[in-house]
Amino acid sequence: AQKITQTQPGMFVQEKEAVTLDCTYDTSDPSYGLFWYKQPSSGEMIFLIYQGSYDQQNATEGRYSLNFQKARKSANLVISASQLGDSAMYFCAMRERTQGGSEKLVFGKGTKLTVNP
Amino acid sequence: DAGVIQSPRHEVTEMGQEVTLRCKPISGHDYLFWYRQTMMRGLELLIYFNNNVPIDDSGMPEDRFSAKMPNASFSTLKIQPSEPRDSAVYFCASSFFRDRVRSGELFFGEGSRLTVL
Repeated sequence: AQKITQTQPGMFVQEKEAVTLDCTYDTSDPSYGLFWYKQPSSGEMIFLIYQGSYDQQNATEGRYSLNFQKARKSANLVISASQLGDSAMYFCAMRERTQGGSEKLVFGKGTKLTVNP
Repeated sequence: DAGVIQSPRHEVTEMGQEVTLRCKPISGHDYLFWYRQTMMRGLELLIYFNNNVPIDDSGMPEDRFSAKMPNASFSTLKIQPSEPRDSAVYFCASSFFRDRVRSGELFFGEGSRLTVL
């Protein structure tokens, strides 16, 4: 079963506008973490933002914010004031505890964001 | 502190040859993950270790794949014999998940791009 679902294979946004990248997740563990990573064309994985399942407030990191709706099991990434350098693949990921008590991180398929000048 | 170090960055080999990918995690991290990234399947978790012990290898495609972590500072992923369908970027990542309140983000290496002809 798919644990992390990113329904938008590709998104386009005009420079300086805001864009929302969707992510829904599935877990029965009450304690989990949600992450967003950016992968530019150079290939490295860059950590952007984190949201813990018990966090009361939505996480923010500069131009990135996470719209966390726990009841809907969604963790959408909002990028404000898009820049050309934001063009990249974006991955949503969830850290969850396994039955054996260890932790692991699983990723969605990703969304390719293109920022147009 | 140095990040996660992977080698080689690029490997081109012929079908049937043995391939060994190497990873040095960040000092002090107790989790190490091996991921494979392809266009078709996205980021797949192959195997992960906690305190040098393999926890879950259910993502390893078949017996041709094996991974070891002989000590806290070194891990290998071996493919023997290699096949063209193994061509992918292989990422190693490490983390420190002990405190579940913290983010426990994964720190990725730059990846090893494998091409099997």
